[in-house]
Amino acid sequence: AQSVAQPEDQVNVAEGNPLTVKCTYSVSGNPYLFWYVQYPNRGLQFLLKYITGDNLVKGSYGFEAEFNKSQTSFHLKKPSALVSDSALYFCAVRDALILTGGGNKLTFGTGTQLKVEL
Amino acid sequence: EAGVVQSPRYKIIEKKQPVAFWCNPISGHNTLYWYRQNLGQGPELLIRYENEEAVDDSQLPKDRFSAERLKGVDSTLKIQPAELGDSAVYLCASSWVTSGSSYNEQFFGPGTRLTVL
Repeated sequence: AQSVAQPEDQVNVAEGNPLTVKCTYSVSGNPYLFWYVQYPNRGLQFLLKYITGDNLVKGSYGFEAEFNKSQTSFHLKKPSALVSDSALYFCAVRDALILTGGGNKLTFGTGTQLKVEL
Repeated sequence: EAGVVQSPRYKIIEKKQPVAFWCNPISGHNTLYWYRQNLGQGPELLIRYENEEAVDDSQLPKDRFSAERLKGVDSTLKIQPAELGDSAVYLCASSWVTSGSSYNEQFFGPGTRLTVL
């Protein structure tokens, strides 16, 4: 079974400072990894994904994430946070080996609330 | 490009009443997903369609939930009868998925917030 853990319910950071939102995963094969952001009363918005290749993935709005296979982590980062980055962030994983049927399923973490203050 | 459209955005019903949610995916997307998101949780997949076929409905409570995707485009998710525990946000998502290809990201609609009293 595949799973995702987001160990922090909330992350607080001052505007202009770097931010990190943590994610660890578990799959039986190689992972496909995703980050989504959710603003209040809106659906999830795709930020970035790791499929294969370079461990550092760049995405929308200046976000990036680093895939670390040995630590089974995929932490979301941004060099300089903005107040407008305040939102709920979800990490998600899918097992790359299972392409069809019930295996082609995305499993989400419980989310991390990011709060960026002036 | 228009995104995933869902309606209604909010629905309040009394328990034991029926309710239906509608989703129109992004044009050209062959795969459609219904998720349920409980308060403080991540989305959980209820059912996934590839074109008209439901290829994964293992998490759908089939005693009260049903879904259809006629003509492989729009989809409807129904609950009958609704229970208090069904209060949640119901999200629809779509993507383009082909066998053997890299996994493409899912695009989500704004969701329907259901409150069962």
